[in-house]
Amino acid sequence: DIQMTQSPSSVSASVGDRVTITCRASQGMNSWVAWYQQRPGKAPELLIYATSTLQSGVPSRFSGGGSGTDFTLTISSLQPEDFATYYCQQANSFPLTFGGGTKVEI
Amino acid sequence: EVQLVESGGGLVQPGGSLRLSCADSGFTVRSSHMSWVRQAPGKGLEWVSVIYSNGDRYYAESAKGRFTISRDNANSLVYLQMNSLRVEDTALYYCTRYVRAADGTGAFDMWGQGTMITVS
Repeated sequence: DIQMTQSPSSVSASVGDRVTITCRASQGMNSWVAWYQQRPGKAPELLIYATSTLQSGVPSRFSGGGSGTDFTLTISSLQPEDFATYYCQQANSFPLTFGGGTKVEI
Repeated sequence: EVQLVESGGGLVQPGGSLRLSCADSGFTVRSSHMSWVRQAPGKGLEWVSVIYSNGDRYYAESAKGRFTISRDNANSLVYLQMNSLRVEDTALYYCTRYVRAADGTGAFDMWGQGTMITVS
């Protein structure tokens, strides 16, 4: 199984800050990483797929990158609605696996 | 508006069974790959199972032999039959659409609001 290790597990930030979340896979993969945002009490929402492709309707302040084993999600200028938990997910092989999550808080 | 709506959750004793249902409104489940993802209280996301549009099925190790995913294309429904339930199966179960490109890229692009299973 491919393990996805996210870091940090939580980050304190302010509106306007640049935030980068990292996801490390336990083995090398093709560019098949997705990122999700989950606000409290809500279902997750897809932000990015195929490592760097923005889902329709997602603001351009979100971006994804990486290759091999290391992948990143960057929020260029944090907005109030971005305070949430973020998860990475690999689709390289079954079982599909998620990272442990990163909580972005004030 | 496209929506996924889950039902069938509830309280069940260890060793018991439940069947979750997922209905769509606005798109055709029969032409989509559909999946279940769960989230234990206060924990992260865990993939459970997927059924492809051609009927192929895959399961997480924790679900193998106990859970069965199926679909009713005529009625645009997806099911998760859960047997031999354990305390550790307690979670919010989300029905999701799994989109998969020709190059293998895959992601869950639509989520329901979830149905809660409590095994106690």
